[in-house]
Amino acid sequence: GQSLEQPSEVTAVEGAIVQINCTYQTSGFYGLSWYQQHDGGAPTFLSYNALDGLEETGRFSSFLSRSDSYGYLLLQELQMKDSASYFCAVSDGGFKTIFGAGTRLFVKA
Amino acid sequence: DAGVIQSPRHEVTEMGQEVTLRCKPISGHDYLFWYRQTMMRGLELLIYFNNNVPIDDSGMPEDRFSAKMPNASFSTLKIQPSEPRDSAVYFCASSGQGLAIGDEQYFGPGTRLTVT
Repeated sequence: GQSLEQPSEVTAVEGAIVQINCTYQTSGFYGLSWYQQHDGGAPTFLSYNALDGLEETGRFSSFLSRSDSYGYLLLQELQMKDSASYFCAVSDGGFKTIFGAGTRLFVKA
Repeated sequence: DAGVIQSPRHEVTEMGQEVTLRCKPISGHDYLFWYRQTMMRGLELLIYFNNNVPIDDSGMPEDRFSAKMPNASFSTLKIQPSEPRDSAVYFCASSGQGLAIGDEQYFGPGTRLTVT
């Protein structure tokens, strides 16, 4: 079967660093994406990794290890507005995207 | 560009009625996706099109669901007859180059469907 595992909830304080992990098991793999979704809003794209290593975009970084079927999203200098759900998603090569169940991030003052 | 446009934003209907959701993708995008999001099942891909042609509809839950893309700027998702378990937020998304090379998907604001 195909599955993505990520924690259901994470809580952190403003200004801190938080890491959201994602492990996947899919029949095919082209890359790992991350999306952010605020309550009542639509998912918005954050990052994409096709190769092993770290990709940095401002306060957000994403990491991939293909050999471990593992990736993570790193959020630095947390702000209250970062409170949202974060989804990892795998492109399985068949032009299909499979989304994880999402991690709800709570940022506290 | 205005982004992906969906209508209606909210739809409340009675069981057995036909529901039609509409989507206008970003101009120039070749791929269009329909997703359904519920608390229980998360974000599920229902169907996607490439250049107006349906490529994979394996996520369409039942024959009651159908989707069309008559031209590059318009797509519909129809549910007939609707059932209470179809209540969800339906998102349309478009992409310029397709998933295989990691092109990001741009999501519309969604249609919140409630079937009573």
